Amino acid sequence: QKEVEQNSGPLSVPEGAIASLNCTYSDRGSQSFFWYRQYSGKSPELIMSIYSNGDKEDGRFTAQLNKASQYVSLLIRDSQPSDSATYLCAVTRRNNRLAFGKGNQVVVIP
Amino acid sequence: DAGVIQSPRHEVTEMGQEVTLRCKPISGHDYLFWYRQTMMRGLELLIYFNNNVPIDDSGMPEDRFSAKMPNASFSTLKIQPSEPRDSAVYFCASSLVGQSTDTQYFGPGTRLTVL
Repeated sequence: QKEVEQNSGPLSVPEGAIASLNCTYSDRGSQSFFWYRQYSGKSPELIMSIYSNGDKEDGRFTAQLNKASQYVSLLIRDSQPSDSATYLCAVTRRNNRLAFGKGNQVVVIP
Repeated sequence: DAGVIQSPRHEVTEMGQEVTLRCKPISGHDYLFWYRQTMMRGLELLIYFNNNVPIDDSGMPEDRFSAKMPNASFSTLKIQPSEPRDSAVYFCASSLVGQSTDTQYFGPGTRLTVL
């Protein structure tokens, strides 16, 4: 089993709609969870971090964490063309080591 | 703050040549990470340092790869000899570990092409 899995293929959403991304992880001891956004040809940039079960909202972004089920999700409300990017789920393991999923590409259609 | 600085931004070399990638972490950060990103394998951790000491190098693909951190403000990743399969984008990231400050900040990356 991979440490962090993001299984969905490219996601196309109309402008203004909600984009939903999911991620599962294998290590029950993980404590910190992140979503990074990566534009084509650029480096990953942090958009959300979450440490406890439940929802965390920041602007149009909401991260959801369920440690019992070992999944993390990201919702992007009112999707904009500028949200078109690859979104990487990352989970902190022991010794501050981050494990990344392979990412989900989001395309927002005007 | 200038953020994580990497050089060069692009490197094209021929198979068999030595390649050295450089990184300057954010001042005050105590962790430094080297990652490699390819389409096939995604973002992979190669090695990371804490207070200039290598902690985990299990991601280094083989002995051709080596990394050093001689001081808190500089690290190098060296590939000798380079091979075409080493072509990738190499990222350096740094972080300051604390209760809520374990976020990793990435540099702009070095795009390496080995011909």
